[in-house]
Amino acid sequence: EVQLVQSGAEVKKPGESLKISCKGSGYSFTSYWIGWVRQMPGKGLEWMGIIYPGDSDTRYSPSFQGQVTISADKSISTAYLQWSSLKASDTAMYYCARVKIVGATTDAFDIWGQGTMVTVSS
Amino acid sequence: SYELTQPLSVSVALGQTARITCGGNNIGSKNVHWYQQKPGQAPVLVIYRDSNRPSGIPERFSGSNSGNTATLTISRAQAGDEADYYCQVWDSSTAVFGGGTKLTVL
Repeated sequence: EVQLVQSGAEVKKPGESLKISCKGSGYSFTSYWIGWVRQMPGKGLEWMGIIYPGDSDTRYSPSFQGQVTISADKSISTAYLQWSSLKASDTAMYYCARVKIVGATTDAFDIWGQGTMVTVSS
Repeated sequence: SYELTQPLSVSVALGQTARITCGGNNIGSKNVHWYQQKPGQAPVLVIYRDSNRPSGIPERFSGSNSGNTATLTISRAQAGDEADYYCQVWDSSTAVFGGGTKLTVL
């Protein structure tokens, strides 16, 4: 079964660092890119960025550039999203999802992780 | 930056046809994808590249895209179709999501 399994919910204080993970299984991890999507409480979906695990080529949304770091370890089929200094406004559900890019064509996010809830509160 | 506009809400009577629109400048020239998100769950892809259904998605779900509007059509709407629906495109290597539409089945 093709799936993306994310790490568990986190409760952090402002200023703390955090790294959440997304592990792929059931498919060739380096045949797809992994994207990260934020959903703030009661709000819509916001694209944060994508990474190609094969060579760690990474693209960020301008809204999130410099605010987070996306990385991957292809040896363990895992992608990561990390913050160096969390803010209360980072409180949200974070989803990873896989997407295929062939040439100039980027396809849909066809498989999604279950989401990781991050709560930042003093 | 590219923007996608969806109605906040759409209502449909049980068994009737629901249509959810997604507006964008010359969106007909792009591939549009649609996601369904039920409360407390992750999004699920229901239509990709304008009108294609992933395996496991009922034939009741269909899509079209032309000009400045893409449309997700849900035929014979069921109570289980109640959810938020999001359209999405890629623009200059950036993923853009519509604001989402809440579908209510009456």
